[in-house]
Amino acid sequence: GDSVTQMEGPVTLSEEAFLTINCTYTATGYPSLFWYVQYPGEGLQLLLKATKADDKGSNKGFEATYRKETTSFHLEKGSVQVSDSAVYFCALSVDRSDYKLSFGAGTTVTVRA
Amino acid sequence: DTAVSQTPKYLVTQMGNDKSIKCEQNLGHDTMYWYKQDSKKFLKIMFSYNNKELIINETVPNRFSPKSPDKAHLNLHINSLELGDSAVYFCASSQEGYKQFFGPGTRLTVL
Repeated sequence: GDSVTQMEGPVTLSEEAFLTINCTYTATGYPSLFWYVQYPGEGLQLLLKATKADDKGSNKGFEATYRKETTSFHLEKGSVQVSDSAVYFCALSVDRSDYKLSFGAGTTVTVRA
Repeated sequence: DTAVSQTPKYLVTQMGNDKSIKCEQNLGHDTMYWYKQDSKKFLKIMFSYNNKELIINETVPNRFSPKSPDKAHLNLHINSLELGDSAVYFCASSQEGYKQFFGPGTRLTVL
C-alpha cells in the first residue's frame, strides 16, 4: 500500500545548525507530497507541499524537493531556531481529491539555544 | 476565533465506558476528519465526512462511530472503551483536501 517512511528521531541540534529530515515514499501512481508540523500542545499544520516531480515546496525557511528517481521528499532548513522545535510529519496523497493523507511516524526535533 | 475546536481536551475514563468527543470548525469547510495518534506519534486517519456524507472509513473497530449533524460538526462516539483506545484524537477540516486544519487534540486515557 501507499506509505511514507521518515528518519527516526529524536533529533537535537543547536540554534543556527542545518536540519535535514529524510522522507521516502512508496506509492502507486504519482502522489502529492507534504510536510506537516506539530508544535508542542497544538494540532498539525501544513508546512509545505509539492504535487509533481522536481517541484520544490518552501515555507518559513524550510524546503523540500520532490525527487521521483529516489522517491524522496527530504525536509531541510539552513539555520534552525528554538521556535522550530516541533514534530515534523511527512505525508502523501494519491487520490485526486487529496482527502486521504498517509502520514509518516513523525520526527521530533529539539533546538537548543 | 478558534478555527477547529475539540472538547474535551483531556478525557480519563474506565474500561467499558462509552464516551464522546466533539469537534466544531468555523472555517466553512466541507470536509472533516478524525485521526488517532498513538504514543509513538504515529498518526492514522479513521474517518472523513464531506458535506455530512462518509467518504473515508478506515479499518476501525465498530465501537467507534462518527456522527455529523451538520457540516460544521463531526463528533466521535466510542463504545465499550478498551485500554488500547488510549491515544490523542485529532479532528481536522479542509476545503482543498490536502490542506487540512487540525484541532488541538483530545488526550484519551483509558484506565
